[in-house]
Amino acid sequence: QVQLVQSGAEMRRPGASVKVSCRTSGYIFITYNIAWLRQAPGQGLEWMGLISPYKGKTTFPQRLQGRITLTTDTSTSTVYMELRSLKSDDTAFYYCARNLAGGPLDSWGQGTLVTVSS
Amino acid sequence: SYVLTQPPSVSVASGKTARITCGGNNIGSKSVHWYQQKTGQVPLLLISYDRDRPSGIPERFSGSNSENTATLTISRVEAGDEADYFCQVWDTSSALVFGTGTRLTVL
Repeated sequence: QVQLVQSGAEMRRPGASVKVSCRTSGYIFITYNIAWLRQAPGQGLEWMGLISPYKGKTTFPQRLQGRITLTTDTSTSTVYMELRSLKSDDTAFYYCARNLAGGPLDSWGQGTLVTVSS
Repeated sequence: SYVLTQPPSVSVASGKTARITCGGNNIGSKSVHWYQQKTGQVPLLLISYDRDRPSGIPERFSGSNSENTATLTISRVEAGDEADYFCQVWDTSSALVFGTGTRLTVL
C-alpha cells in the first residue's frame, strides 16, 4: 500500500535551518508529485511547495521563495524539504502528501513537528 | 491570490444533515477537493473532483460545486464526524490553495 513516512521531530534556534525527509513506497515514485504543507498549532493548512520527482521541477508560494528547497533522491524514493532562516512562527507540523497534477492530496505522511525556539 | 472562505464552525444534531460551504470567485470552474482532519490526526481525503469519494469513504459524504460555492454535505451525522473540514483547489498559477477550515460540532 502507499506509504509516506517522514523523519522525526526537530527543534531549532531562530536563524537555523531544518531538513525534513519523506520516504515513499507502494507506488512508482516518479509518477506523482509531492506537496509540502504545514499547520501551526490550532491553525489551518498552508501550502509550502511542490516537486515533480520526474523532472525535478519545483513550485513555491511567493512568500517562501528563497527560504525553501525541495529535492528528491530517486534511489530511495525520498523527498527532502529544507527551510532556512527559521523564525518562531515557522513552528508547525510539516506534512508531505502525494499528488497528481491538478488533483487531490491522496496520501499523507504522518507529519513532523518542527519547533523553533531560542 | 485566490481565496477560499469557509464558515469557522458548523453545529448539527446527531442524525441530521450538515452542510459546509467553501466560497471562491467562480469556484465552479475549478475542481474542489475536501479533507477531514480529526483532532491530533493527519488530514484525510474525503471528496475529490467536486463529488468523487475515495475508496472507504461512506456514502453519507457528498460534494457539489457551482458558480461561487462548493458544498460538502454530510448526511445522518454521527459523533465520529466531529472534525475540521478543509476545501482545496489549485489556482491558475499552479498554487495549492486551502480554505480557512470549518469545525464541525455534533450536538
